[in-house]
Amino acid sequence: AQKVTQAQTEISVVEKEDVTLDCVYETRDTTYYLFWYKQPPSGELVFLIRRNSFDEQNEISGRYSWNFQKSTSSFNFTITASQVVDSAVYFCALSDAGSSNTGKLIFGQGTTLQVKP
Amino acid sequence: DAGVIQSPRHEVTEMGQEVTLRCKPISGHDYLFWYRQTMMRGLELLIYFNNNVPIDDSGMPEDRFSAKMPNASFSTLKIQPSEPRDSAVYFCASSVQGRSQPQHFGDGTRLSIL
Repeated sequence: AQKVTQAQTEISVVEKEDVTLDCVYETRDTTYYLFWYKQPPSGELVFLIRRNSFDEQNEISGRYSWNFQKSTSSFNFTITASQVVDSAVYFCALSDAGSSNTGKLIFGQGTTLQVKP
Repeated sequence: DAGVIQSPRHEVTEMGQEVTLRCKPISGHDYLFWYRQTMMRGLELLIYFNNNVPIDDSGMPEDRFSAKMPNASFSTLKIQPSEPRDSAVYFCASSVQGRSQPQHFGDGTRLSIL
């Protein structure tokens, strides 16, 4: 069965600090997709990144970077020089790799990031 | 381009009343998902549709919940009768081509059953 674990429930940092959000997943399939979503205090869910299981290259987008390691089944998310606007709940998710091409997502419980000024 | 549109944004009603949540997916998306978010259970998938056909409703909590998708641009989630434990944020999401593509979420409906 698929599972996503975000062990950090809450993280608090001071602005300009770097912070890493951990995500560990479980799947028996060789083809799968991983996602990160951001949920700011306003409540909407914002898509950040998608990664497929065959692409282990790390990705950087501005202050955001993602480290995908199949050997440890991890897909960690780092924010460099954090800002107050980064305060949100961050969700890691795994696509369902069942027999049908469904796009069903399994979400982790989320990590609440608070960035203090 | 317009994103996923949900209405209403907030709904407060009394126990026993019928509640209808509405969703307009992104044009061209062939998958539509309904999720519920609570503090206790996090984000749960309730049901999803492909090309307007319900594919998996195993997440629907009970018979009081029903969902329809009469056409490619509209879906409803209905609760009848509503109960206080149904209070949650309900999200609609849509995607194209299934699991390789991200789901795009609406702003959610915050439902409070008194």
